[in-house]
Amino acid sequence: DTAVSQTPKYLVTQMGNDKSIKCEQNLGHDTMYWYKQDSKKFLKIMFSYNNKELIINETVPNRFSPKSPDKAHLNLHINSLELGDSAVYFCASSQGTGAQPQHFGDGTRLSIL
Amino acid sequence: GENVEQHPSTLSVQEGDSAVIKCTYSDSASNYFPWYKQELGKGPQLIIDIRSNVGEKKDQRIAVTLNKTAKHFSLHITETQPEDSAVYFCAASWNEKLTFGTGTRLTIIP
Repeated sequence: DTAVSQTPKYLVTQMGNDKSIKCEQNLGHDTMYWYKQDSKKFLKIMFSYNNKELIINETVPNRFSPKSPDKAHLNLHINSLELGDSAVYFCASSQGTGAQPQHFGDGTRLSIL
Repeated sequence: GENVEQHPSTLSVQEGDSAVIKCTYSDSASNYFPWYKQELGKGPQLIIDIRSNVGEKKDQRIAVTLNKTAKHFSLHITETQPEDSAVYFCAASWNEKLTFGTGTRLTIIP
């Protein structure tokens, strides 16, 4: 009965590769997000989508491309991976935008060799 | 944009005692203040939230207070238990996004 699920949980890959992370929510929410948590545990928003439309893009390098095929799914594709991309990536969802509770997945730990 | 500061970065308390974590925010337009608990290997989990039209909110052993004038909000956990050990994050919502504090690692000493 996982509300927000991400796959894979762990991703280990070489610099320069391209990888994707998938996220699905079964809460019926309209809005989905991607966050990056660095090694110091700092959580920062990357993107948000509302009903499949991009509403927040936080000056993330264009190597990162989110895609929302429907409002229950938000995937993250990363091209030409760099060492600095190593982090935990969290997907979240909420009912509507703005001042709404966000529900997080358990994260994808990306390690670049 | 919004800036959220959180203190302390680490906190150790004896089991049964109270714990208080404090946050300040910069933008007076922020109107929603959630608190999240993150356990090892898990995503942040919402534990309590407060909106700008309310000064205090309680849920069993957890309470949050908000001082809009001073732009401060605090998390209070009473009668702490070992399972309260985790990293806690405050956040402030402004312009359709949440800005998080830097986290507090709370350790409950049995």
